[in-house]
Amino acid sequence: GENVEQHPSTLSVQEGDSAVIKCTYSDSASNYFPWYKQELGKGPQLIIDIRSNVGEKKDQRIAVTLNKTAKHFSLHITETQPEDSAVYFCAASVTNTGFQKLVFGTGTRLLVSP
Amino acid sequence: EADIYQTPRYLVIGTGKKITLECSQTMGHDKMYWYQQDPGMELHLIHYSYGVNSTEKGDLSSESTVSRIRTEHFPLTLESARPSHTSQYLCASSEYGSSGNTIYFGEGSWLTVV
Repeated sequence: GENVEQHPSTLSVQEGDSAVIKCTYSDSASNYFPWYKQELGKGPQLIIDIRSNVGEKKDQRIAVTLNKTAKHFSLHITETQPEDSAVYFCAASVTNTGFQKLVFGTGTRLLVSP
Repeated sequence: EADIYQTPRYLVIGTGKKITLECSQTMGHDKMYWYQQDPGMELHLIHYSYGVNSTEKGDLSSESTVSRIRTEHFPLTLESARPSHTSQYLCASSEYGSSGNTIYFGEGSWLTVV
């Protein structure tokens, strides 16, 4: 089955710096890669996603890149702000008979200091 | 924004008690999921459903059971709670269709068994 590895487990940056979180996946059939942000005491919230037919996607300060050959994808946050502090999860999905089942990475705790 | 609701948000119960965690979504999504997450850790799929009268076991074995009698409702039940069941339970839903549909999460139910 699919296995997703995520690094680093914790990341501390100064406000205004950039943050990069990296994930690798094992199943070459995976075709959908979302990123979720989880704040303390809340459920995960989708912040950006990318499909296997696209190499890069950007939404304001957030961008995701996908390298299908190497089977890795990354989240880039620019101009970080204290409110970006949260746990970020990557995930990979293989569609099986029309059903999408996400496999999550182990999470990255991002701390943005003012 | 996702319209998926979980109750109770926080619950402390004694060993051996029966508990049902409620999950409802108003988006008309066919697919629903239950994930289990220990604090700060990755999410593990424990149950999912394609639609009404469909329930499947997820990747992580769980002693809980689920039912799907109505599209919008996907409750999870523990017949006899144990301290090992202490965890956060996250309900989610997505549309049935082509690959890569967004999975929306509820806010989670924190269960503590004493």
